[in-house]
Amino acid sequence: AQKVTQAQTEISVVEKEDVTLDCVYETRDTTYYLFWYKQPPSGELVFLIRRNSFDEQNEISGRYSWNFQKSTSSFNFTITASQVVDSAVYFCPYGGRRALTFGSGTRLQVQP
Amino acid sequence: SQTIHQWPATLVQPVGSPLSLECTVEGTSNPNLYWYRQAAGRGLQLLFYSVGIGQISSEVPQNLSASRPQDRQFILSSKKLLLSDSGFYLCAWSVANYEQYFGPGTRLTVT
Repeated sequence: AQKVTQAQTEISVVEKEDVTLDCVYETRDTTYYLFWYKQPPSGELVFLIRRNSFDEQNEISGRYSWNFQKSTSSFNFTITASQVVDSAVYFCPYGGRRALTFGSGTRLQVQP
Repeated sequence: SQTIHQWPATLVQPVGSPLSLECTVEGTSNPNLYWYRQAAGRGLQLLFYSVGIGQISSEVPQNLSASRPQDRQFILSSKKLLLSDSGFYLCAWSVANYEQYFGPGTRLTVT
């Protein structure tokens, strides 16, 4: 069965610091998807990115960047120059043949 | 553009009472639909998913059920709520197995 581990339960940084959220997954599937979602205090999950298992290119979108390494089964998320609005719980679910498998998430608190 | 609606936003129900949560999607046809539950401070647990009208797959044995009476309508029900049913319920839709888009959620408290 698939499993997602987000070992960092909670991270606290000061505004403008860079922060990396770790995500490690386990699977025997050869084809799959990985995602990152943001859950602000309002509760609604916001989709950030999807990555296919056969595409290991890193991606940058503004202050956000993602590093996918199949060899280590990791899909890490870095926020550069963090802002208070980045405070949220972040999830990196795994998507195989059916619905998403979620880890327990990482709570990021950005202090002003 | 696509929109997903969930209601009610919050609900307080006594133990043993029935439950009906509704989710509707606009702007897309034949979406995959999902119900998740999130306990406080935890990740999301998949409850049900549906790939078409009347097609429901259950992931977790429990006293909840789901129905899809129309293409873009997904309903979560219970005949008798338990205290352990409290949580944050999220509906989501997707096209095939790509990214899922979530509704605003329903916060259910069973007293």
